[in-house]
Amino acid sequence: GQNIDQPTEMTATEGAIVQINCTYQTSGFNGLFWYQQHAGEAPTFLSYNVLDGLEEKGRFSSFLSRSKGYSYLLLKELQMKDSASYLCAVLDSNYQLIWGAGTKLIIKP
Amino acid sequence: DTAVSQTPKYLVTQMGNDKSIKCEQNLGHDTMYWYKQDSKKFLKIMFSYNNKELIINETVPNRFSPKSPDKAHLNLHINSLELGDSAVYFCASSLPVDTGELFFGEGSRLTVL
Repeated sequence: GQNIDQPTEMTATEGAIVQINCTYQTSGFNGLFWYQQHAGEAPTFLSYNVLDGLEEKGRFSSFLSRSKGYSYLLLKELQMKDSASYLCAVLDSNYQLIWGAGTKLIIKP
Repeated sequence: DTAVSQTPKYLVTQMGNDKSIKCEQNLGHDTMYWYKQDSKKFLKIMFSYNNKELIINETVPNRFSPKSPDKAHLNLHINSLELGDSAVYFCASSLPVDTGELFFGEGSRLTVL
């Protein structure tokens, strides 16, 4: 079966750095996505990785290792507004998005 | 202008009723989706349409019927509502299906009593 694993919840301090991990086992791979979802709102696109390595976009970076079936989302200089759920999703060989359950990130002052 | 809009945003109804949720996108995208997000926050694909044609139909009860009158609209009709149908339903759209970048509507919170 297809599976996306990520921690259920993480807590970090304002101004710090946090890394949210995602491991996947899917039938084929056509890219990995990170989405941010604030409570009561729709998910919004953050990043897309299809090749190994690090993609940086401002305070957010996303890393991919296809051989390990592993990705992480790195958030720097955390702000209170970063409190949200972060969803990892993989596009499989049929170009279907397989979603993880999301990691709820709690930022404390 | 809202890119992907869905109505209603909140829906409270009794078991056994029939209800519809409408979705419209003004992004010119070819592909539209319906997702269900339950209390455990898993996003589950229900249906996907590309240019008005059904391309994904996951295992959902046939009480759920999508209708796409044109490529900018994808409506969801639910018959004989059950308690387990309570969830947030998200409509989304994207460019060609293999890009993976989805634009979501604000969600429709359905509560079945």
